[in-house]
Amino acid sequence: SQTIHQWPATLVQPVGSPLSLECTVEGTSNPNLYWYRQAAGRGLQLLFYSVGIGQISSEVPQNLSASRPQDRQFILSSKKLLLSDSGFYLCAWAPLEGIREQYFGPGTRLTVT
Amino acid sequence: QKEVEQNSGPLSVPEGAIASLNCTYSDRGSQSFFWYRQYSGKSPELIMFIYSNGDKEDGRFTAQLNKASQYVSLLIRDSQPSDSATYLCAVNSGDGMRFGAGTRLTVKP
Repeated sequence: SQTIHQWPATLVQPVGSPLSLECTVEGTSNPNLYWYRQAAGRGLQLLFYSVGIGQISSEVPQNLSASRPQDRQFILSSKKLLLSDSGFYLCAWAPLEGIREQYFGPGTRLTVT
Repeated sequence: QKEVEQNSGPLSVPEGAIASLNCTYSDRGSQSFFWYRQYSGKSPELIMFIYSNGDKEDGRFTAQLNKASQYVSLLIRDSQPSDSATYLCAVNSGDGMRFGAGTRLTVKP
């Protein structure tokens, strides 16, 4: 069965500091991968998605970036965090074929102080 | 702009009642439809999907789809306090998944 991991689970970072969040998927090959952000009490905002190694599409221009160095690894980064970057960051994977339902990881709760 | 709309709630039902959650979408080209449950502080969990007009049942959950009206709903029968959560509707239009903001459901014992 497929499993998706995210770490860290929680993070408190000062404004201006760098960020690196990691997501890995087990039990599947060539998944589509996604990064979402959910602000408190709000819906899901798609940040990035990837259909393969090194292939990243950005949905929202901002100070965040994403990379996919391996088939089942997806990384979200920032060089300098802003207060507005606080939120719940979710990684999701979807199979390449079929209805492409998305499965979410446990999430990383980021607080920028 | 392709949109997915849900009533934010809160929707409150007594234990044992039927909870009805509704969702409308704007893109007529939408192909598949999903319901996720999100407990407070947790990530969304896929509970059902549907892609054909009509009803699809899974245990206490029934998803209903009406493509002509661009409407999808989720019925929860015999609601339990453990069903209290935010329910997200999602729509896949082929160019990506779009999520509604969610409906918060509270089931009162």
